[in-house]
Amino acid sequence: KAGVTQTPRYLIKTRGQQVTLSCSPISGHRSVSWYQQTPGQGLQFLFEYFSETQRNKGNFPGRFSGRQFSNSRSEMNVSTLELGDSALYLCASSLLAGGNGQETQYFGPGTRLLVL
Amino acid sequence: AQSVTQPDIHITVSEGASLELRCNYSYGATPYLFWYVQSPGQGLQLLLKYFSGDTLVQGIKGFEAEFKRSQSSFNLRKPSVHWSDAAEYFCAVGILFSGGYNKLIFGAGTRLAVHP
Repeated sequence: KAGVTQTPRYLIKTRGQQVTLSCSPISGHRSVSWYQQTPGQGLQFLFEYFSETQRNKGNFPGRFSGRQFSNSRSEMNVSTLELGDSALYLCASSLLAGGNGQETQYFGPGTRLLVL
Repeated sequence: AQSVTQPDIHITVSEGASLELRCNYSYGATPYLFWYVQSPGQGLQLLLKYFSGDTLVQGIKGFEAEFKRSQSSFNLRKPSVHWSDAAEYFCAVGILFSGGYNKLIFGAGTRLAVHP
């Protein structure tokens, strides 16, 4: 079974631009989460989607948004990019069966975004 | 507030030596605990997880971890380290939401170097 895939793997943008990152979960997985990884702040939760609905969001400004499609694929968008948005953006998927919270998140390789 | 502490930022061991990476968590409910490993430029790979039951859990690549509720710890161990184990290791706790899913809160990571 193929793992989580993310595109593109690398991206260079300039301040003020916007960017869209894509994530395809493991086949059959219905929940997709996004995380930002930076040297200063570490790994931080951005948001989680299930059945095309955002169920939870981390402490990030409104410039960060996302969506999920009916096939569980997800995109995240960052508008009006700032230098501090340079990071590795990781997507994770989980099966979400049982609903008891005992879910394992499987991560993709990430998209490395550099904002100049 | 929920948090994960990895006290050691860097650890260096000799190949063949034993390894223990420390992890302490703060979470009021039953914790779901994970260890992930990240090689340079890569995403996170799941090493092992603890949901319930036996407090000593086995993972991939010869790793194991022991959950100690009284110490709020989930330390990762390996009896004999290989050069290929050099990477960054992240401990995480899954925070359960009412929808039955969890988000991960990560520690800052421990970077492992292995000397030949």
